[in-house]
Amino acid sequence: DIQLTQSPSFLSASVRDRVTITCRASQGINNYLAWYQQKPGKAPKVLIYAASTLQSGVPSRFSGSGSGTEFTLTISSLQPEDFATYYCQQVNSYPQTFGQGTKLEIK
Amino acid sequence: QVQLQESGPGLVKPSETLSLTCTISGGSISSYLWNWIRQPPGKGLEWIGYIYYSGTTNYNPSLKSRVTISTDTSKNQFSLKLGSVTAADTAVYYCARKYGFNWHFDYWGQGILVTVSS
Repeated sequence: DIQLTQSPSFLSASVRDRVTITCRASQGINNYLAWYQQKPGKAPKVLIYAASTLQSGVPSRFSGSGSGTEFTLTISSLQPEDFATYYCQQVNSYPQTFGQGTKLEIK
Repeated sequence: QVQLQESGPGLVKPSETLSLTCTISGGSISSYLWNWIRQPPGKGLEWIGYIYYSGTTNYNPSLKSRVTISTDTSKNQFSLKLGSVTAADTAVYYCARKYGFNWHFDYWGQGILVTVSS
């Protein structure tokens, strides 16, 4: 199985901060990576797919980059509604796996 | 707008079979991959498996010996059966749709908590 390691696991930040979350894959996955946002008691919601494509309806402050084994999710200016847990997912091969999550908290 | 809704028992006894159904509304079961994903309380996400509308399945090897996913196209539903459950199978179970094999999950159900306990 392909292992995905997210860093950091916890992140404390303030509104209007710029934050970056990293996802590293145990082997190359081309650009087959998606990012999800999950709020308590809710299903995950896709933000980015194909490493850098913004899902329709997602604010442009979210962006993704990377290819191969290292990927990043950047939020350019944090808004109050962005405090949540973020997961990366590789869709290159089965079983498709998720990172362990990054919990973004208000400082 | 496609909507997915999980249903089934919220409590299952150890060693028994967990059975859940996902009902699709606002769209057809045809031409997509239909998935089950689970999330133990306070933990991360685990893909369980998918069924293609044609009936082809693919399961996570870690669960393969205990999992069956099936469809009922007449009802626009697909189902999960997980046998020989233990407390480690306690989780929120989600159904979700994928457009293709290397695609992300674009629609999710709200999730259903299933607790394994006597």
